[in-house]
Amino acid sequence: GAGVSQSPRYKVAKRGQDVALRCDPISGHVSLFWYQQALGQGPEFLTYFQNEAQLDKSGLPSDRFFAERPEGSVSTLKIQRTQQEDSAVYLCASRIPGGTGELFFGEGSRLTVL
Amino acid sequence: DAKTTQPTSMDCAEGRAANLPCNHSTISGNEYVYWYRQIHSQGPQYIIHGLKNNETNEMASLIITEDRKSSTLILPHATLRDTAVYYCIVKGGTSYGKLTFGQGTILTVHP
Repeated sequence: GAGVSQSPRYKVAKRGQDVALRCDPISGHVSLFWYQQALGQGPEFLTYFQNEAQLDKSGLPSDRFFAERPEGSVSTLKIQRTQQEDSAVYLCASRIPGGTGELFFGEGSRLTVL
Repeated sequence: DAKTTQPTSMDCAEGRAANLPCNHSTISGNEYVYWYRQIHSQGPQYIIHGLKNNETNEMASLIITEDRKSSTLILPHATLRDTAVYYCIVKGGTSYGKLTFGQGTILTVHP
């Protein structure tokens, strides 16, 4: 596709449920990032992939958060046993390799945990 | 990566230039200045970036002071659609691309 695609756009979960959020990056973009954006705050880094390798997961807030990109294209962010504090917009971004290129962001998946 | 300081909010009249300042006094020699914006309910959008020279593209101009401790993003003719949160980010050129967003500046363009 022309841009980064994320699904679902909106997800409501009951506390304790597991959720999976999908990101389809721009074709050919080997770098993929996940960010979390709480209401009224700037995006915060969660994790980074280069192809299928997860090179940085320092931003994942707990071991309930897990991300994968098994074939180096589509990525899934999974949150187990969701808590109310997990309510946020989860943003995916992709980029061509290189240190100075721009990130292309998707529109995000808004998660609300009741 | 160096930290940045931006005003919390700014207003601008439609059709006038919007000048958004950013302080990054601890920037080091190999760090770039990036600007992104985020329109309500959308993901961040890249605007422009620079190292030490002024830069211009179809969206905006970036003016970086000679000592590189501050910069200004200029939207030459602001429109209502430019109302957004604008983020100034400093990132090392050799790092893999991780961006550290702050709170940004809420720019409101008035008719």
